[in-house]
Amino acid sequence: EAGVAQSPRYKIIEKRQSVAFWCNPISGHATLYWYQQILGQGPKLLIQFQNNGVVDDSQLPKDRFSAERLKGVDSTLKIQPAKLEDSAVYLCASSQRIRDTQYFGPGTRLTVL
Amino acid sequence: ELKVEQNPLFLSMQEGKNYTIYCNYSTTSDRLYWYRQDPGKSLESLFVLLSNGAVKQEGRLMASLDTKARLSTLHITAAVHDLSATYFCAVDLSYGGSQGNLIFGKGTKLSVKP
Repeated sequence: EAGVAQSPRYKIIEKRQSVAFWCNPISGHATLYWYQQILGQGPKLLIQFQNNGVVDDSQLPKDRFSAERLKGVDSTLKIQPAKLEDSAVYLCASSQRIRDTQYFGPGTRLTVL
Repeated sequence: ELKVEQNPLFLSMQEGKNYTIYCNYSTTSDRLYWYRQDPGKSLESLFVLLSNGAVKQEGRLMASLDTKARLSTLHITAAVHDLSATYFCAVDLSYGGSQGNLIFGKGTKLSVKP
C-alpha cells in the first residue's frame, strides 16, 4: 500500500513570496491533516479535513495560509506571503476515519530567507 | 491551555541498558499515541493506547497509559543502536468529541551508544 505522498520535498523562497505544497493521502483515507513542525518541536496541527470539508482550522493563520481539498482526495496548502518564521517542515497525514491512527508523509522542508 | 510534557528531552544511553521516557498531559484524554522520527524522516506510528491501564509492547519498546494520572510511559529494554531516534507522544484532544486532534510533546531525542 502506497504511503502519504508530498511534494516538493524541499523549497527555498524569499520572504513575501508565495509557496504551495501538495499532498496525496493513502487511498481510501477520508481524513487529512496538515501539520507544521518547527525544528526541535513536535508537529502542530494547522488544519484537518474530513473528505472535502474542514473539521478544524483554528490554528491556521488565515491571513496568510490557506488550504483546500477539492475532491476529497489530494490537498494543497498555500502560504502567501511567507514570513521568516514560516521556516519549518510541513507534514501531511491521513487516517481512514477521524480518530484512527494518523500516517505521515515525508514532509516538505521550507526555508524562508 | 493543554500541555503535553515529555521528559527527558535528551537521553543518551549505553547499549544494553533500560530506561523510561515519560509523557504527562494536562487534560482528560482517552487516547494517546507514540511516534518515532528518524533524522530527516517523517513520523512512524509505534503505539496507540486506548484505555486506562493499556499496555502495548513491540520488541524492546513497551508503552503504557494511566489516564487517571494523565501519564504515559515508553520503556526501553536492553537498548540497541537502532533505537536511536526522536520519540514523540501525542494526546488525542477529542475526548467526548469527534475531531481526532492530536497535541504533540516536544519529543525525546534518544541516542544509544555502544
